[in-house]
Amino acid sequence: TQLLEQSPQFLSIQEGENLTVYCNSSSVFSSLQWYRQEPGEGPVLLVTVVTGGEVKKLKRLTFQFGDARKDSSLHITAAQPGDTGLYLCAGAGIIRDDKIIFGKGTRLHILP
Amino acid sequence: ETGVTQSPTHLIKTRGQQVTLRCSSQSGHNTVSWYQQALGQGPQFIFQYYREEENGRGNFPPRFSGLQFPNYSSELNVNALELDDSALYLCASSLDFGYTFGSGTRLTVV
Repeated sequence: TQLLEQSPQFLSIQEGENLTVYCNSSSVFSSLQWYRQEPGEGPVLLVTVVTGGEVKKLKRLTFQFGDARKDSSLHITAAQPGDTGLYLCAGAGIIRDDKIIFGKGTRLHILP
Repeated sequence: ETGVTQSPTHLIKTRGQQVTLRCSSQSGHNTVSWYQQALGQGPQFIFQYYREEENGRGNFPPRFSGLQFPNYSSELNVNALELDDSALYLCASSLDFGYTFGSGTRLTVV
């Protein structure tokens, strides 16, 4: 059973467009994190959300944690080629305390 | 020194062999976690160590074992390698929320 479902799996859009990716689960998280991973590198933490309904902004990226702390979304405004990468959501506090469990990721490709 | 360092970066092993991967945690971080990431997948939790003791384990067989040392560096050992063990192995250290990942070791089993 996949605890964290990310959608879409793949997304290819033109530079300048907006996009939203989703992370859903039937389980409640104590916190949820978003990472970005480039080929040949480890994931890099973008944000941690802890409070239900929380919204965090990181330049053109907006992260939202669902009120029930079961889901999250990442919205990118005016996407740029540098945004290309694998976006991973990871939830903590489901099975074992603070161990984080990852979704399969959304592979994003921004076309110039 | 800041950041998480993993070695080696790439490794090729033969089925049935044993391998040891190493991780140097970010300064001050007392928790280290190991993940296996197959091509096209998200990282899968292998186990976590906190102050030299295993503090949780994912669905991996006993031939995957680990150690954490007093300086919080860590090792991942895999015995009797199988072809399906080919993957990127990631080490992550943490103190509170959020993990700092190394760049990983790309293991290929042939």
